[in-house]
Amino acid sequence: GAVVSQHPSRVICKSGTSVKIECRSLDFQATTMFWYRQFPKQSLMLMATSNEGSKATYEQGVEKDKFLINHASLTLSTLTVTSAHPEDSSFYICSASTAGRNQPQHFGDGTRLSIL
Amino acid sequence: ELKVEQNPLFLSMQEGKNYTIYCNYSTTSDRLYWYRQDPGKSLESLFVLLSNGAVKQEGRLMASLDTKARLSTLHITAAVHDLSATYFCAVDRGSQGNLIFGKGTKLSVKP
Repeated sequence: GAVVSQHPSRVICKSGTSVKIECRSLDFQATTMFWYRQFPKQSLMLMATSNEGSKATYEQGVEKDKFLINHASLTLSTLTVTSAHPEDSSFYICSASTAGRNQPQHFGDGTRLSIL
Repeated sequence: ELKVEQNPLFLSMQEGKNYTIYCNYSTTSDRLYWYRQDPGKSLESLFVLLSNGAVKQEGRLMASLDTKARLSTLHITAAVHDLSATYFCAVDRGSQGNLIFGKGTKLSVKP
């Protein structure tokens, strides 16, 4: 089946640090990748949608200058949390899908980010 | 704005019992997904429902979709402890497959 690898799985760092999270589709070409954030005991909130080679589309209220998304190839998207602060601590999950609306999203294992 | 509501949010069941989780959504959509999430883990795809009247079954779980009522159900038959998890429904919002998730139903199956 379709496998999405997310790295790292856990990050603990000091306030002010920038953190990069990678999302890779291992056995399929992901034309579209999605980034979600999930706070404890809450649902997933879509942050942005990225298509390979294009600028990401951010959801309302998500700062594009703080959450930098790059989707440089059909198998890799990265999310960089710039100058992270404690309120950015969360579980970040990426997903990927192939072309076509009927294709399900395949989720990575998530990255737990803790900012001290 | 598309809103997705799940109920109940918490469900404690005894093994062997049946129950149904409901997912209502506010605007027209013909694509609905069910996912399972174990604590500290990411999401596992359970079902993709693509048309009105769609019904899919996998083991003790059965999902259905009524696009006219804007309602999907996830029915649990003869629950077992291994089904304990949080279940999310998600509705496709638009052309890129953007998903809007419900708040999730935390299911606890007790012996």
